Amino acid sequence: DGGITQSPKYLFRKEGQNVTLSCEQNLNHDAMYWYRQDPGQGLRLIYYSQIVNDFQKGDIAEGYSVSREKKESFPLTVTSAQKNPTAFYLCASSLTQGAIGYTFGSGTRLTVV
Amino acid sequence: EDQVTQSPEALRLQEGESSSLNCSYTVSGLRGLFWYRQDPGKGPEFLFTLYSAGEEKEKERLKATLTKKESFLHITAPKPEDSATYLCAVQAIIQGAQKLVFGQGTRLTINP
Repeated sequence: DGGITQSPKYLFRKEGQNVTLSCEQNLNHDAMYWYRQDPGQGLRLIYYSQIVNDFQKGDIAEGYSVSREKKESFPLTVTSAQKNPTAFYLCASSLTQGAIGYTFGSGTRLTVV
Repeated sequence: EDQVTQSPEALRLQEGESSSLNCSYTVSGLRGLFWYRQDPGKGPEFLFTLYSAGEEKEKERLKATLTKKESFLHITAPKPEDSATYLCAVQAIIQGAQKLVFGQGTRLTINP
C-alpha cells in the first residue's frame, strides 16, 4: 500500500543535541512538507520541497534544517538552535506543490529531556 | 493576513445530539477547503475537499458545506467513535506559492 512512513514514533532529545526525523513516501509524489503541531494550535509549516534537491522555508524554519536528495525521502533535523522543540511533527506529501490535497504520515512526537 | 479560525475550540455532546463545527477563513485565491479528522497521536485523516461556495459533501454522519467566508461540518446523531479533533485547512496562493493553512482544530467528544 502507498503511503508516508515517519520514524521514530517517539523521540527524546537532550538539551544541545541535534536529532533527525525520518519521512519516507512511496506515492511517487514530487512535493513534501514538514509541519509542527502544538496543543491548541494549528499545524504550522516548517519546510517544504517541490522537487528533488530543492526546498523552501516555511513559516517557522528557524532552528530546523532539511535535505531532499531522493524523491522518496525528506528528513528533518531539529538543531540545538531550536529553543522549544517539544512538539508533534507531521510529514506530508502531494503530487505536485500546487496539487489539491495532501497525504499525511502518522507523526513523530519529540520531547526534550 | 491570511487566516483560518475554527470554533468552538472544544465541544462535548451526548450520543445522538447533532451539532455543527465552524471554520471561517480570510484568504484570497482559495483553491480548496479541506476537513481532516485527527485521532490522538496520529496524523490527520482526509475527510472532504470543497472547492466553491454552495458545495456540499457527505460521508456517513458528516456533512460539509462551504460559503464564501466559512465552512460548516455538520455531525448528525454522532456516536462515541466520532470523538476526535477535526481540522479545517484552506489551500491558497500565499506570497506567490501554494500553501495549506490550518485552523487550530475543534476537539469533539461524544459521550455514550
